[in-house]
Amino acid sequence: RKEVEQDPGPFNVPEGATVAFNCTYSNSASQSFFWYRQDCRKEPKLLMSVYSSGNEDGRFTAQLNRASQYISLLIRDSKLSDSATYLCVVNRGKLIFGQGTELSVKP
Amino acid sequence: NAGVTQTPKFRVLKTGQSMTLLCAQDMNHEYMYWYRQDPGMGLRLIHYSVGEGTTAKGEVPDGYNVSRLKKQNFLLGLESAAPSQTSVYFCASSFLLRDWDTDTQYFGPGTRLTVL
Repeated sequence: RKEVEQDPGPFNVPEGATVAFNCTYSNSASQSFFWYRQDCRKEPKLLMSVYSSGNEDGRFTAQLNRASQYISLLIRDSKLSDSATYLCVVNRGKLIFGQGTELSVKP
Repeated sequence: NAGVTQTPKFRVLKTGQSMTLLCAQDMNHEYMYWYRQDPGMGLRLIHYSVGEGTTAKGEVPDGYNVSRLKKQNFLLGLESAAPSQTSVYFCASSFLLRDWDTDTQYFGPGTRLTVL
C-alpha cells in the first residue's frame, strides 16, 4: 500500500463545475501537508498548504482530518486553466508525494 | 532569479553509458533533492542533501550517485545506465525551517532521460 494514496482519475468536468479530490496518508507522524499542481510535462509547483482548520485560496479550499488521515481539495467554478495533475504531498521530515489526480476541464 | 535550473533538458543514452545531471539554484537554499517521476508511481526521492558537502539516500538510490561540492549545485550521476532508469528527473531545493523540517520545495523544469 502506498504511503500517500490518491484517485488517479482522470476527472473530466465541464467549465464551472465543482470538483473534489481526496487523499489518504498512512503515516500518523506526518507533520504538514500540501497540494502541488503539475501541468503536462512541467515541474510540480506548490498550490497551497493544508491546515487543520481548513483554508481557502480563492476558488480552492483544502481540508485536513488528522484523525482519519485524510486530505481534500475542492475546486469551485472550474476553469479551463485548472486542467492539470494535482499532487497530494505529506511532509514527515521529507516530502512524500501521491501519484497525482488528473483533472481535465472541458468547455 | 533563475530559481532552479537543470541541464540537460533531454538526453538519450545507450545501456552502460554514464552521464551527470546538473542542478543549480540561486535561492541560497540549504536543502536540495533529486526525484524521478514515472507513470503511475508519483515522484520518488533518489538522494538529497542537507547542506554543502553532505548527501543522503532517499527511497530509490540504487544505480545513482550524487555530490554537493557547492551549496548552489547538486549533481546526479548514472555510472552505468540501464533501461529501468528511463524517467523524468526533477531537482528541487528548499530552505531549512527547523531541525529536519523544510519549507516549500521549488522544482527545476526536469530532465527527460531515455536509456536504450
